[in-house]
Amino acid sequence: SAVISQKPSRDICQRGTSLTIQCQVDSQVTMMFWYRQQPGQSLTLIATANQGSEATYESGFVIDKFPISRPNLTFSTLTVSNMSPEDSSIYLCSVAEGTGELFFGEGSRLTVL
Amino acid sequence: AQSVAQPEDQVNVAEGNPLTVKCTYSVSGNPYLFWYVQYPNRGLQFLLKYITGDNLVKGSYGFEAEFNKSQTSFHLKKPSALVSDSALYFCAVRPLSSARQLTFGSGTQLTVLP
Repeated sequence: SAVISQKPSRDICQRGTSLTIQCQVDSQVTMMFWYRQQPGQSLTLIATANQGSEATYESGFVIDKFPISRPNLTFSTLTVSNMSPEDSSIYLCSVAEGTGELFFGEGSRLTVL
Repeated sequence: AQSVAQPEDQVNVAEGNPLTVKCTYSVSGNPYLFWYVQYPNRGLQFLLKYITGDNLVKGSYGFEAEFNKSQTSFHLKKPSALVSDSALYFCAVRPLSSARQLTFGSGTQLTVLP
Protein backbone atom coordinates (compact mmCIF):
# COMPACT_ATOMS: atom_id res chain seq x y z
CA SER A 1 0.00 0.00 0.00
CA ALA A 2 0.99 3.62 -0.52
CA VAL A 3 2.91 5.39 2.23
CA ILE A 4 1.36 8.76 3.01
CA SER A 5 3.25 11.48 4.90
CA GLN A 6 1.57 14.55 6.29
CA LYS A 7 3.13 17.71 7.64
CA PRO A 8 2.73 19.21 10.16
CA SER A 9 1.64 16.41 12.45
CA ARG A 10 0.19 18.97 14.84
CA ASP A 11 0.06 22.72 15.27
CA ILE A 12 -1.43 25.36 17.50
CA CYS A 13 -2.58 28.44 15.64
CA GLN A 14 -4.08 31.79 16.41
CA ARG A 15 -7.54 32.79 15.32
CA GLY A 16 -7.59 34.53 11.94
CA THR A 17 -4.42 32.96 10.60
CA SER A 18 -4.07 30.29 7.91
CA LEU A 19 -2.24 26.96 7.91
CA THR A 20 -1.19 24.81 4.99
CA ILE A 21 -1.02 21.05 5.41
CA GLN A 22 1.11 18.99 3.06
CA CYS A 23 0.48 15.44 1.91
CA GLN A 24 3.18 13.44 0.15
CA VAL A 25 2.61 9.95 -1.26
CA ASP A 26 5.43 7.57 -2.16
CA SER A 27 3.78 6.53 -5.43
CA GLN A 28 1.61 8.09 -8.09
CA VAL A 29 -2.06 7.91 -7.24
CA THR A 30 -5.05 9.03 -9.20
CA MET A 31 -7.47 9.77 -6.42
CA MET A 32 -6.55 11.85 -3.41
CA PHE A 33 -8.92 13.11 -0.73
CA TRP A 34 -8.95 15.41 2.27
CA TYR A 35 -11.02 14.52 5.33
CA ARG A 36 -11.79 16.32 8.57
CA GLN A 37 -12.30 14.63 11.91
CA GLN A 38 -13.69 17.00 14.51
CA PRO A 39 -13.10 16.15 18.18
CA GLY A 40 -14.97 13.01 19.15
CA GLN A 41 -16.54 12.76 15.71
CA SER A 42 -16.34 10.61 12.64
CA LEU A 43 -14.67 11.53 9.35
CA THR A 44 -16.18 13.95 6.88
CA LEU A 45 -14.94 14.35 3.33
CA ILE A 46 -13.86 17.91 2.57
CA ALA A 47 -12.88 17.53 -1.08
CA THR A 48 -11.32 15.43 -3.77
CA ALA A 49 -7.97 16.82 -4.88
CA ASN A 50 -7.80 16.69 -8.68
CA GLN A 51 -4.46 16.79 -10.42
CA GLY A 52 -4.26 19.73 -12.78
CA SER A 53 -7.71 21.11 -12.03
CA GLU A 54 -9.77 22.59 -9.24
CA ALA A 55 -10.68 20.38 -6.33
CA THR A 56 -14.20 18.98 -6.01
CA TYR A 57 -15.72 20.18 -2.75
CA GLU A 58 -18.41 18.47 -0.72
CA SER A 59 -21.49 20.21 0.54
CA GLY A 60 -20.62 22.59 3.36
CA PHE A 61 -17.02 23.14 2.27
CA VAL A 62 -15.87 25.97 0.02
CA ILE A 63 -12.69 26.79 -1.82
CA ASP A 64 -12.18 30.14 -0.10
CA LYS A 65 -12.02 28.44 3.28
CA PHE A 66 -10.18 25.27 2.24
CA PRO A 67 -8.09 25.91 -0.87
CA ILE A 68 -6.45 22.76 -2.19
CA SER A 69 -3.57 22.28 -4.59
CA ARG A 70 -2.60 19.11 -6.45
CA PRO A 71 0.34 19.92 -8.67
CA ASN A 72 1.19 16.28 -9.47
CA LEU A 73 0.14 12.70 -8.73
CA THR A 74 2.14 12.40 -5.51
CA PHE A 75 1.53 15.67 -3.66
CA SER A 76 -1.31 17.84 -2.39
CA THR A 77 -1.83 20.67 0.05
CA LEU A 78 -4.86 21.76 2.05
CA THR A 79 -4.99 25.26 3.49
CA VAL A 80 -7.31 26.12 6.35
CA SER A 81 -7.92 29.83 5.96
CA ASN A 82 -8.93 32.50 8.44
CA MET A 83 -9.10 29.94 11.21
CA SER A 84 -11.49 29.96 14.13
CA PRO A 85 -11.66 27.61 17.13
CA GLU A 86 -14.34 25.63 15.27
CA ASP A 87 -11.64 24.58 12.80
CA SER A 88 -9.82 22.65 15.52
CA SER A 89 -9.79 19.14 14.08
CA ILE A 90 -7.67 16.39 12.68
CA TYR A 91 -7.20 16.79 8.94
CA LEU A 92 -6.42 13.60 7.07
CA CYS A 93 -5.11 12.99 3.60
CA SER A 94 -6.13 9.75 1.93
CA VAL A 95 -5.59 7.98 -1.36
CA ALA A 96 -7.59 5.38 -3.21
CA GLU A 97 -5.82 2.42 -4.73
CA GLY A 98 -7.08 0.06 -7.36
CA THR A 99 -7.95 -2.54 -4.73
CA GLY A 100 -10.86 -0.39 -3.51
CA GLU A 101 -9.85 0.72 -0.04
CA LEU A 102 -8.62 4.12 1.04
CA PHE A 103 -5.34 4.57 2.86
CA PHE A 104 -4.80 7.42 5.25
CA GLY A 105 -1.97 9.57 6.46
CA GLU A 106 -1.32 9.98 10.17
CA GLY A 107 -3.31 13.19 10.22
CA SER A 108 -2.56 16.79 11.11
CA ARG A 109 -3.94 17.84 14.48
CA LEU A 110 -4.88 21.48 14.45
CA THR A 111 -5.78 23.51 17.54
CA VAL A 112 -7.00 27.04 17.03
CA LEU A 113 -6.90 29.40 20.01
CA ALA B 1 -28.22 8.40 0.25
CA GLN B 2 -26.00 5.86 1.90
CA SER B 3 -25.47 5.56 5.62
CA VAL B 4 -23.63 3.55 8.22
CA ALA B 5 -24.77 2.91 11.77
CA GLN B 6 -22.55 1.78 14.61
CA PRO B 7 -25.06 1.42 17.41
CA GLU B 8 -22.54 1.16 20.24
CA ASP B 9 -20.37 4.11 21.17
CA GLN B 10 -18.42 1.95 23.58
CA VAL B 11 -17.70 -1.77 23.82
CA ASN B 12 -15.87 -3.27 26.77
CA VAL B 13 -14.58 -6.83 26.74
CA ALA B 14 -12.23 -8.84 28.91
CA GLU B 15 -8.90 -9.91 27.46
CA GLY B 16 -9.12 -13.37 25.94
CA ASN B 17 -12.86 -13.12 25.34
CA PRO B 18 -14.39 -12.83 21.88
CA LEU B 19 -15.32 -9.36 20.71
CA THR B 20 -17.93 -8.04 18.31
CA VAL B 21 -18.28 -4.49 17.03
CA LYS B 22 -21.54 -3.95 15.21
CA CYS B 23 -22.19 -2.18 11.93
CA THR B 24 -25.24 -1.88 9.72
CA TYR B 25 -25.39 -0.03 6.45
CA SER B 26 -27.62 1.32 3.73
CA VAL B 27 -26.43 1.82 0.16
CA SER B 28 -27.84 1.61 -3.34
CA GLY B 29 -26.61 -1.42 -5.19
CA ASN B 30 -23.78 -3.66 -4.15
CA PRO B 31 -21.57 -2.24 -1.43
CA TYR B 32 -17.92 -2.02 -0.69
CA LEU B 33 -17.64 -2.41 3.09
CA PHE B 34 -14.62 -1.58 5.21
CA TRP B 35 -13.35 -1.56 8.75
CA TYR B 36 -10.71 0.86 9.93
CA VAL B 37 -9.01 1.26 13.30
CA GLN B 38 -7.68 4.44 14.85
CA TYR B 39 -5.22 4.27 17.71
CA PRO B 40 -4.73 7.35 19.91
CA ASN B 41 -2.99 10.18 18.07
CA ARG B 42 -2.76 8.13 14.89
CA GLY B 43 -4.44 8.13 11.50
CA LEU B 44 -6.79 5.45 10.29
CA GLN B 45 -5.47 2.01 9.53
CA PHE B 46 -7.23 -0.30 7.11
CA LEU B 47 -8.29 -3.60 8.71
CA LEU B 48 -10.36 -5.44 6.13
CA LYS B 49 -12.88 -5.12 3.34
CA TYR B 50 -15.74 -6.92 1.68
CA ILE B 51 -16.31 -6.55 -2.02
CA THR B 52 -17.71 -9.83 -3.20
CA GLY B 53 -17.38 -13.53 -2.60
CA ASP B 54 -17.12 -15.27 0.75
CA ASN B 55 -19.24 -13.55 3.37
CA LEU B 56 -16.56 -14.04 6.02
CA VAL B 57 -13.54 -11.88 5.37
CA LYS B 58 -10.29 -11.98 7.31
CA GLY B 59 -8.08 -9.01 7.90
CA SER B 60 -5.17 -7.68 9.89
CA TYR B 61 -4.36 -8.49 13.53
CA GLY B 62 -6.67 -11.52 13.62
CA PHE B 63 -9.84 -9.57 12.92
CA GLU B 64 -12.62 -10.84 10.70
CA ALA B 65 -15.99 -9.56 9.62
CA GLU B 66 -19.14 -11.21 8.40
CA PHE B 67 -21.20 -9.72 5.60
CA ASN B 68 -24.91 -10.40 5.96
CA LYS B 69 -26.86 -9.08 3.00
CA SER B 70 -30.32 -9.80 4.38
CA GLN B 71 -29.57 -7.94 7.60
CA THR B 72 -27.38 -5.32 5.86
CA SER B 73 -24.76 -5.87 8.52
CA PHE B 74 -21.00 -6.13 8.57
CA HIS B 75 -20.00 -6.88 12.15
CA LEU B 76 -16.34 -6.95 13.13
CA LYS B 77 -15.20 -9.89 15.22
CA LYS B 78 -12.16 -11.36 16.88
CA PRO B 79 -12.10 -14.71 18.68
CA SER B 80 -9.78 -13.61 21.48
CA ALA B 81 -9.32 -9.94 22.38
CA LEU B 82 -6.00 -8.38 23.34
CA VAL B 83 -5.46 -5.29 25.46
CA SER B 84 -3.61 -3.85 22.47
CA ASP B 85 -6.85 -4.04 20.45
CA SER B 86 -8.20 -1.13 22.48
CA ALA B 87 -8.84 1.62 19.94
CA LEU B 88 -11.54 3.43 17.98
CA TYR B 89 -13.10 1.37 15.20
CA PHE B 90 -14.88 2.77 12.16
CA CYS B 91 -17.11 0.95 9.70
CA ALA B 92 -17.42 2.49 6.24
CA VAL B 93 -19.43 1.86 3.08
CA ARG B 94 -19.29 3.05 -0.48
CA PRO B 95 -20.96 2.07 -3.71
CA LEU B 96 -18.86 0.15 -6.21
CA SER B 97 -18.91 3.10 -8.57
CA SER B 98 -17.28 5.85 -6.50
CA ALA B 99 -14.37 6.04 -4.04
CA ARG B 100 -15.47 9.59 -3.29
CA GLN B 101 -18.70 8.42 -1.72
CA LEU B 102 -17.11 6.63 1.23
CA THR B 103 -19.32 7.13 4.27
CA PHE B 104 -18.05 6.43 7.77
CA GLY B 105 -19.96 5.35 10.82
CA SER B 106 -19.72 7.29 14.05
CA GLY B 107 -17.11 4.98 15.50
CA THR B 108 -17.02 2.51 18.38
CA GLN B 109 -14.49 2.79 21.17
CA LEU B 110 -13.30 -0.69 22.06
CA THR B 111 -11.71 -1.19 25.45
CA VAL B 112 -10.17 -4.54 26.28
CA LEU B 113 -9.76 -4.98 30.00
CA PRO B 114 -6.81 -6.97 31.36
